[in-house]
Amino acid sequence: LAKTTQPISMDSYEGQEVNITCSHNNIATNDYITWYQQFPSQGPRFIIQGYKTKVTNEVASLFIPADRKSSTLSLPRVSLSDTAVYYCLVGAHNQGGKLIFGQGTELSVKP
Amino acid sequence: ETGVTQSPTHLIKTRGQQVTLRCSSQSGHNTVSWYQQALGQGPQFIFQYYREEENGRGNFPPRFSGLQFPNYSSELNVNALELDDSALYLCASSLVPGQGALDTQYFGPGTRLTVL
Repeated sequence: LAKTTQPISMDSYEGQEVNITCSHNNIATNDYITWYQQFPSQGPRFIIQGYKTKVTNEVASLFIPADRKSSTLSLPRVSLSDTAVYYCLVGAHNQGGKLIFGQGTELSVKP
Repeated sequence: ETGVTQSPTHLIKTRGQQVTLRCSSQSGHNTVSWYQQALGQGPQFIFQYYREEENGRGNFPPRFSGLQFPNYSSELNVNALELDDSALYLCASSLVPGQGALDTQYFGPGTRLTVL
């Protein structure tokens, strides 16, 4: 299973764009890249998933370069309510339903 | 549509005791996964149940066991509690295990277990 590396913490200000990069050098051909968000005292919440190039939804964008050894979660114009821990996960459906969480990136948005 | 619910919200036990945590899946979901999250760490996969059978297990000892019922609700049982079992226990439901990409799991709010 591919291991992921991401910054432990990041600071930002309201209205800025935040980019969180995740490194996954040994990603397998069948692996997808998924990001979850977790607020204090809550369970993680799915944000976005992609396989290659770019994926965008109402919450975020996910950029994946051609070699897929890294990915970047982009949050446009963050607000205080985006303060949370963001987890990058890499895997495929053949891993028995298991989601492998790392330590995540703690994003702090300041006024 | 009802989301994933868990009970109780908080629980305090003493070392050596047994505990049962409960989870109700999101409507229409037939798969339940359990995770343990220690303070400051990411969730760690305990096991998953699909159609009342265990469908994968993480690196947890046998004293962690589970059940899934015909209505897809689930229980996590932990015997002989240890101090290190103190954590947030998360339940997540999904529609079908292993369908296409990494399946999206919908998490409940968790049960905070404290072992004294």
